[in-house]
Amino acid sequence: ILNVEQSPQSLHVQEGDSTNFTCSFPSSNFYALHWYRWETAKSPEALFVMTLNGDEKKKGRISATLNTKEGYSYLYIKGSQPEDSATYLCAFDSGTYKYIFGTGTRLKVLA
Amino acid sequence: DAGITQSPRHKVTETGTPVTLRCHQTENHRYMYWYRQDPGHGLRLIHYSYGVKDTDKGEVSDGYSVSRSKTEDFLLTLESATSSQTSVYFCAISGDYQGRDEQFFGPGTRLTVL
Repeated sequence: ILNVEQSPQSLHVQEGDSTNFTCSFPSSNFYALHWYRWETAKSPEALFVMTLNGDEKKKGRISATLNTKEGYSYLYIKGSQPEDSATYLCAFDSGTYKYIFGTGTRLKVLA
Repeated sequence: DAGITQSPRHKVTETGTPVTLRCHQTENHRYMYWYRQDPGHGLRLIHYSYGVKDTDKGEVSDGYSVSRSKTEDFLLTLESATSSQTSVYFCAISGDYQGRDEQFFGPGTRLTVL
């Protein structure tokens, strides 16, 4: 059974702080790694799809890196804002149509 | 926003009754998925479809069946609902470039089995 782990499970940061969290996934049979942002009472929304070792993606203040050899991806948020409060999910794709989601990192940004 | 809807949005039913949830898309995407979301488990794949009449099981498929007779509709059926199937169910779609396309999620269906 493939396992995708995210850490930390939750964190609180002050407005303006930068933060990062980790997604660990199997280093074999890698096809793609997805990051999603999930606000309370809404549906998950895609942030990044990462496919190549060493990939770096950026969207505004949010960026992500990928290391497929060691099986991890980092998501960074620079200068956190209250509207960044959400659960951030990663999903491992081994190219079999089946995405394996982590349990998410729940971020709360305090004003 | 991707055109994806789910119906019903909320349902309360009793143990032993059949329940069907519907996912409808207007994007003509090939792949469709059903997930359930439970505290401590994140999103878990129930079933998915890679084309009309082409479906396969996910990691938590026991007690569920699916059908896809048209590109736009993917139905999830609980043949005989149990309390353990109380959950929030999300449908998702993704495009034709296998696996690397992001998934777009529907608004979710909250199902309570009494």
